[in-house]
Amino acid sequence: GAVVSQHPSWVICKSGTSVKIECRSLDFQATTMFWYRQFPKQSLMLMATSNEGSKATYEQGVEKDKFLINHASLTLSTLTVTSAHPEDSSFYICSAKEGAISQPQHFGDGTRLSIL
Amino acid sequence: ILNVEQSPQSLHVQEGDSTNFTCSFPSSNFYALHWYRWETAKSPEALFVMTLNGDEKKKGRISATLNTKEGYSYLYIKGSQPEDSATYLCAHMDSSYKLIFGSGTRLLVRP
Repeated sequence: GAVVSQHPSWVICKSGTSVKIECRSLDFQATTMFWYRQFPKQSLMLMATSNEGSKATYEQGVEKDKFLINHASLTLSTLTVTSAHPEDSSFYICSAKEGAISQPQHFGDGTRLSIL
Repeated sequence: ILNVEQSPQSLHVQEGDSTNFTCSFPSSNFYALHWYRWETAKSPEALFVMTLNGDEKKKGRISATLNTKEGYSYLYIKGSQPEDSATYLCAHMDSSYKLIFGSGTRLLVRP
């Protein structure tokens, strides 16, 4: 149980392209989903917290107009990297939480984004 | 400690060896400590969520302890197997309910 599906796994695209990444909870409802980013040799860094039916909460230094998050249902959150540039190349991974705050987060497989 | 720090960064052990790693975190404003195992090309898998000082949790050959007063947690693996090879992540949660991750310990178990 508690499976999170994330796709695509890999994206390679030209600078200026917008890229959408989907995160789905397959067998549970997730009122809260999280988006993380990991640069090489660094730790997972929280970008934003996505709450179903409301605006996402962004961490300091993360541009909300650059990284658009939509959490329209209890099983789907999307992250759109708008007008992506080479510096946006990174590993993006989502997680979803089922139930109480004390429960673990369930992660997707991540998306490797490369902007040429 | 202001950040979450894990040591060692990497570890190579022989099959059958027991091993342990450390996670250090801010001791103030503590809510929970999470441990995850992250195998290559897979998603991070939750191992433990620990909330109480002195907590000890066990899952098969893997166990963890928690000291919230001094801000550290140990993860132990008894009789390491090649399938234990992975990156082990710890993450600290404070009253903001956000997870702050360490950079992980990469474990390689040689047959």
